[in-house]
Amino acid sequence: EDQVTQSPEALRLQEGESSSLNCSYTVSGLRGLFWYRQDPGKGPEFLFTLYSAGEEKEKERLKATLTKKESFLHITAPKPEDSATYLCAVQAPRNTDKLIFGTGTRLQVFP
Amino acid sequence: GAGVSQSPSNKVTEKGKDVELRCDPISGHTALYWYRQRLGQGLEFLIYFQGNSAPDKSGLPSDRFSAERTGESVSTLTIQRTQQEDSAVYLCASRPGGSGNEQFFGPGTRLTVL
Repeated sequence: EDQVTQSPEALRLQEGESSSLNCSYTVSGLRGLFWYRQDPGKGPEFLFTLYSAGEEKEKERLKATLTKKESFLHITAPKPEDSATYLCAVQAPRNTDKLIFGTGTRLQVFP
Repeated sequence: GAGVSQSPSNKVTEKGKDVELRCDPISGHTALYWYRQRLGQGLEFLIYFQGNSAPDKSGLPSDRFSAERTGESVSTLTIQRTQQEDSAVYLCASRPGGSGNEQFFGPGTRLTVL
């Protein structure tokens, strides 16, 4: 069964304290792995898509990486405005476009 | 340009009543998706439209749930005889045709069944 597990569930960081969020996945043939950011009361906001092991993408203080079993979202020198829930999702190669989501990592960055 | 919009933003209803939730996708996006997000849980896939046909309805939890789409435009998710376990945020997403796989989400409708 296709599955996505994110860790930790919650992470508290001091402003400037770099860290990484983990997304482990089990899927029979990965079409894509997606990272989204979700602020309270809002819909998920697209961040990155990764397609193959070894691929990396960056946006401001965020960098996403992918291996055959997991993805990491690295946050360098975070700021309070980076506080949000970060969601990971995979797309399986079947006759559907659905995304399978993890439960997210709730990040709080304190000044 | 305008993003995905959903209405209403909040809906409170009594158990047993029917509700309709609306999604307006980004103009030109051919694919449309409905997901459900229960408190403290991940997003659950409900249904996927390509144009006005639904190739994948596998996530609809019961026959009380149905959805339709008019052409490549508005979609409506209907829940009949609502139950308290239907309380959740219902999210709609759309995706352009072609090779891009990214889905773009609306703000959601928060449904509370009393």
